[in-house]
Amino acid sequence: AQTVTQSQPEMSVQEAETVTLSCTYDTSESDYYLFWYKQPPSRQMILVIRQEAYKQQNATENRFSVNFQKAAKSFSLKISDSQLGDAAMYFCAYRRVHDMRFGAGTRLTVKP
Amino acid sequence: DVKVTQSSRYLVKRTGEKVFLECVQDMDHENMFWYRQDPGLGLRLIYFSYDVKMKEKGDIPEGYSVSREKKERFSLILESASTNQTSMYLCASRPRDRGLENTEAFFGQGTRLTVV
Repeated sequence: AQTVTQSQPEMSVQEAETVTLSCTYDTSESDYYLFWYKQPPSRQMILVIRQEAYKQQNATENRFSVNFQKAAKSFSLKISDSQLGDAAMYFCAYRRVHDMRFGAGTRLTVKP
Repeated sequence: DVKVTQSSRYLVKRTGEKVFLECVQDMDHENMFWYRQDPGLGLRLIYFSYDVKMKEKGDIPEGYSVSREKKERFSLILESASTNQTSMYLCASRPRDRGLENTEAFFGQGTRLTVV
């Protein structure tokens, strides 16, 4: 099975600063999809951003952007101008045709 | 809005009991998934289904089974609950891919199951 690795169990950022969460994955396929999900204390998983492997351009959603390096199999998430509401667990996910695999997660703390 | 509803938010069961976790989605999605979430391990795929009556094993199917008799409902069954199945269980659904559209998965709010 494909594996997804998030090497940072916990990260901390000062409010209004920028933080980058790391994700690497292992695959032999050329077509796949990547996602970052956020899970606040409410436990509801929320999609943050998505990226198609065939697209070279990095995805951006407001304060959230990714650095997608296909050859390195790396998919990091950058959060700019961090807000208190960004505090949550963040999961990187890899998807093929049907199933989706997740990393172990990174707990982000935002300090006021 | 897509809604994925899990029947219970918290559940306490005894060792050896047969446990049913129910999940219903209201957006006619073909794909449905069951994950368990444990600290330090993230979400691990137990089973998924890409159509009615179809099921595929994920990474950790042992001790679990599933049922998908109707498109909107995907049930996870613990045949004989054990304490090592104490966990958070998340259900998700997603539409079938059509062309190059990158469809996301939508999640329920999770069931925190404790087996005593």
